[in-house]
Amino acid sequence: QSVLTQPPSVSAAPGQKVTISCSGSSSNIGNNYVSWYQQLPGTAPKRLIYDNNKRSSGIPDRFSGSKSGTSGTLGITGLQAGDEADYYCGTWDNSLNSYVFGSGTKVTVL
Amino acid sequence: QVQLVQSGSELKKPGASVTVSCKASGYTFTDYAMNWVRQAPGQGLEYMGWINPKTGNPMYAPGFTGRFVISLDTSVSTAYLQISSLEAEDSAVYYCTRKHCDSWGQGTLVIVSS
Repeated sequence: QSVLTQPPSVSAAPGQKVTISCSGSSSNIGNNYVSWYQQLPGTAPKRLIYDNNKRSSGIPDRFSGSKSGTSGTLGITGLQAGDEADYYCGTWDNSLNSYVFGSGTKVTVL
Repeated sequence: QVQLVQSGSELKKPGASVTVSCKASGYTFTDYAMNWVRQAPGQGLEYMGWINPKTGNPMYAPGFTGRFVISLDTSVSTAYLQISSLEAEDSAVYYCTRKHCDSWGQGTLVIVSS
């Protein structure tokens, strides 16, 4: 049971936009930076976003991140078939004294 | 470029031990902590812990104390994850990832089965 809650799945047609929420608390997201990771089927995760809204090297600007209070959000615009993957948020938890990942969200391109 | 190359898949019997290695290249090994992450079949990512390469001190996430040991050898720029008294529930892919999770190894599949 993750301390960061994400919707199990989101879907949209090619070219559309999706947003993925990551809900936490004051012990994690509320006082720490949020990162987002993409895991394509059968591959290792890849960091997309760090420090709430900074894109990792080589990540297109179709991917964006934001944070408000105890929640973070990943946005993907211009959805492509290659974006079908599992997406995870992550942050440090001050109470657990450990990094924590969200429960994961599967993105489906219709 | 930064590369983390992990050791190959392992098939172990319950009660045995396994060591997964993660060899780093493309950066100064002692400048960045190394994390370990577990992913059980069909499940999400679980953070296991990290090690400070300057001090060699490991820190473990809740649920990953006792049977799990994180270590490193700076002379060969390699981090290790050892799991003892293996249980079927330890069957998973194990990833090493550099501090801030900006680079990941390819993953090592560990299967525990009699």
